Amino acid sequence: QQPVQSPQAVILREGEDAVINCSSSKALYSVHWYRQKHGEAPVFLMILLKGGEQKGHEKISASFNEKKQQSSLYLTASQLSYSGTYFCGTEVRAQGGSEKLVFGKGTKLTVNP
Amino acid sequence: DSGVTQTPKHLITATGQRVTLRCSPRSGDLSVYWYQQSLDQGLQFLIQYYNGEERAKGNILERFSAQQFPDLHSELNLSSLELGDSALYFCASSVGWDWQLYEQFFGPGTRLTVL
Repeated sequence: QQPVQSPQAVILREGEDAVINCSSSKALYSVHWYRQKHGEAPVFLMILLKGGEQKGHEKISASFNEKKQQSSLYLTASQLSYSGTYFCGTEVRAQGGSEKLVFGKGTKLTVNP
Repeated sequence: DSGVTQTPKHLITATGQRVTLRCSPRSGDLSVYWYQQSLDQGLQFLIQYYNGEERAKGNILERFSAQQFPDLHSELNLSSLELGDSALYFCASSVGWDWQLYEQFFGPGTRLTVL
């Protein structure tokens, strides 16, 4: 049930682009992206909904492919502040009809000067 | 600073003991979530409360329980602690209950060490 993120880690130079992927074996209702810097709490980036609606970050974009059950996070012209671990969370319908959020294991992004 | 507060920051205890973690949500937020983060399991959703009622349940063990009080603060109780319960426990809050509509604001976490 846990979504699979790829790559596990990526190292960039400032100004380079990166793509982080998130795939699920279950039908997706929404995908949530968070960034966590070392020793800090996760910080919200974006929610993607079925139908393409996005809520979130100005400088980071993402896509949500319902048929392929995957989402991709696009980081363009990366800045040093983008370094951290990126988590995707997928909303899964649990038994009884309630929802829960299941997070991937994270992608560690390092941006060097 | 997200506006979510958690106490204590660190907790060291022994196996078999019971501890209580406390969370105060952002002003105006009605929903509280609890997460466990360990190195091998990543970030795991435990439970969600909305306005005092349990809303959604994740991978919460039977030894763990939570509640949300009328003033909206929440407590996570962990009992019969095992070494494997050592982890960072995060509380998050949001305005509403719908996962799709509201971003979650995470607190700084409580680091639990079970010896």
